[in-house]
Amino acid sequence: EIVLTQSPGTLSLSPGEGATLFCRASQSVGSDSLAWYHQKPGQAPRLLISGASNRAAGIPDRISGSGSGTDFTLTISRLEPEDFGVYYCQQFGTPPRTFGQGTNVEI
Amino acid sequence: QVQLVESGGGLVKPGGSLRLSCSVSGLNISTYYMSWIRQAPGKGLEWISHITGSGRTVFYADSVKGRFTISRDNAKNSLFLQMNSLKVEDTAKYYCARLYGAFDFWGQGTLVAVSS
Repeated sequence: EIVLTQSPGTLSLSPGEGATLFCRASQSVGSDSLAWYHQKPGQAPRLLISGASNRAAGIPDRISGSGSGTDFTLTISRLEPEDFGVYYCQQFGTPPRTFGQGTNVEI
Repeated sequence: QVQLVESGGGLVKPGGSLRLSCSVSGLNISTYYMSWIRQAPGKGLEWISHITGSGRTVFYADSVKGRFTISRDNAKNSLFLQMNSLKVEDTAKYYCARLYGAFDFWGQGTLVAVSS
């Protein structure tokens, strides 16, 4: 199975700062088969990005995704308080669908 | 507004069984793949199963294969997960989600605790 490794494990940032999160796959993932999710404590994950760079409905344009092959990036500009939580990448190009271990963004 | 509501979780002894349900509103699930994903306490996310729109084809993670059975009732707009031979390591919050490429709609989850 494809192993996704996210870095860093934790980011400690202040509102207004930018955040860059990384997701590396153990083998190539189709460029349209990588998603990012955000999970706040006690809540279900929420889809942010699909197809590596396509924002889901209602996601602001200060959140963007990029990458292809084995290396993917989620960028959040101008962090807001509601952006804290854990971010997961996930690949859906090769069964089984797998998730990264998460990056915790502390505001 | 799309809503997915899971139910059926609880405390069960090792070797026991539970049946989870996911009731969906605001979306006709009959043409969509649907999934179960779980999250152990303090841990990350694990896809465990999904089912095609017709229900004819199912997929399982190795960790649950042979013990869990996914099914659906499109007439009731509902998804199910029959969990048998439960193990302590099955303790988790179980989420249902629509699988549309990525998992785009999620329920709030139901807690399953397996303990003696």
